[in-house]
Amino acid sequence: AQSVTQLGSHVSVSEGALVLLRCNYSSSVPPYLFWYVQYPNQGLQLLLKYTSAATLVKGINGFEAEFKKSETSFHLTKPSAHMSDAAEYFCAVSQSEKLVFGKGMKLTVNP
Amino acid sequence: DSGVTQTPKHLITATGQRVTLRCSPRSGDLSVYWYQQSLDQGLQFLIQYYNGEERAKGNILERFSAQQFPDLHSELNLSSLELGDSALYFCASSSTGTSGVNEQFFGPGTRLTVL
Repeated sequence: AQSVTQLGSHVSVSEGALVLLRCNYSSSVPPYLFWYVQYPNQGLQLLLKYTSAATLVKGINGFEAEFKKSETSFHLTKPSAHMSDAAEYFCAVSQSEKLVFGKGMKLTVNP
Repeated sequence: DSGVTQTPKHLITATGQRVTLRCSPRSGDLSVYWYQQSLDQGLQFLIQYYNGEERAKGNILERFSAQQFPDLHSELNLSSLELGDSALYFCASSSTGTSGVNEQFFGPGTRLTVL
């Protein structure tokens, strides 16, 4: 079975600082990987997806993620954090007909 | 706005009761997925319907059932409710039955509180 691991549950950065949210996957086949964001009291919104077309994937709101097979990782980054980035971020892998989510990472951005 | 609508937004009920959650997928999407989000279990896949037929089943309790109607809207029925069923229930839709190819678009969720 495929799975993703997001270590830790909370990360705090200063406004303007680099955002790095880690995700490691476990899959016996080339995976389809996703990052979703959940703002307070809202549903999940797709940030970006990896479908094997390119290892560096650019998403919305300045986020990007790099697929590294050798490290089984799909970390999410943004060069400069903005206050509006405060939210919970979920890494997910596609397994047959469903998405398997990590436990999520709450991002706090300090002024 | 994802184009997926869910009603009601909030639901408060008592143990032992039955509730129905409703979802309308994005226009043109044939697949509907239901997920449960709780503090202890995180986001868990419950069930998927594709064009009216059940396609995949996840960690869905026997007390829960779902269906997708000819107009493609879906309902999730939760019965004999327990305190532990309190959670946020999301519906998502996609244009095909394979989430690996097409991303899933999520609705705003229904927050269920069982007292």
